[in-house]
Amino acid sequence: SQQGEEDPQALSIQEGENATMNCSYKTSINNLQWYRQNSGRGLVHLILIRSNEREKHSGRLRVTLDTSKKSSSLLITASRAADTASYFCALVNTGGFKTIFGAGTRLFVKA
Amino acid sequence: DVKVTQSSRYLVKRTGEKVFLECVQDMDHENMFWYRQDPGLGLRLIYFSYDVKMKEKGDIPEGYSVSREKKERFSLILESASTNQTSMYLCASSPPGSGYYEQYFGPGTRLTVT
Repeated sequence: SQQGEEDPQALSIQEGENATMNCSYKTSINNLQWYRQNSGRGLVHLILIRSNEREKHSGRLRVTLDTSKKSSSLLITASRAADTASYFCALVNTGGFKTIFGAGTRLFVKA
Repeated sequence: DVKVTQSSRYLVKRTGEKVFLECVQDMDHENMFWYRQDPGLGLRLIYFSYDVKMKEKGDIPEGYSVSREKKERFSLILESASTNQTSMYLCASSPPGSGYYEQYFGPGTRLTVT
């Protein structure tokens, strides 16, 4: 079963800047989700975007999905030090049951 | 708020020991999951359960078993712990039809096998 591949693996930015993380995949999906994990903790769900949706917003988060390019991006605007975490994309393949997690992007926001 | 709790945050066990990791959720979710997380590999599914007494193998079930006697509780068992099972173990739950809904995660158990 496929796994989303996040890019970049690590990202370091200044507070106030925007952070963009990308996720690419290979086969058709039912939906794609983004999760955040603070150091040494469990994952927290951020956004779910379905295959027939192109963009979703939640506060400072914007997620886009391009099914023709098989890619998604997570944009965090006006980043804060508290956004420092690992971010994972997770896929559910069409007709599938399991959620498959990628290896994650580590974001470091410098104060 | 949904709450998923795991019995221990940190655990150190010896090779060959039988290890029990407990997970409890309070949202009456049908689905529960056990993952292990290793650097560079993301989360890998060990087992999941979509109902009491039901279990399905995930991607890496070897060396593990599970038990779900009550809806709110899902236990992961390492029959004979080995050093390659040193990892972060994450439990999660979700409403029925998983994959179509978000998963709620516990805080994780960092297991070290020496």
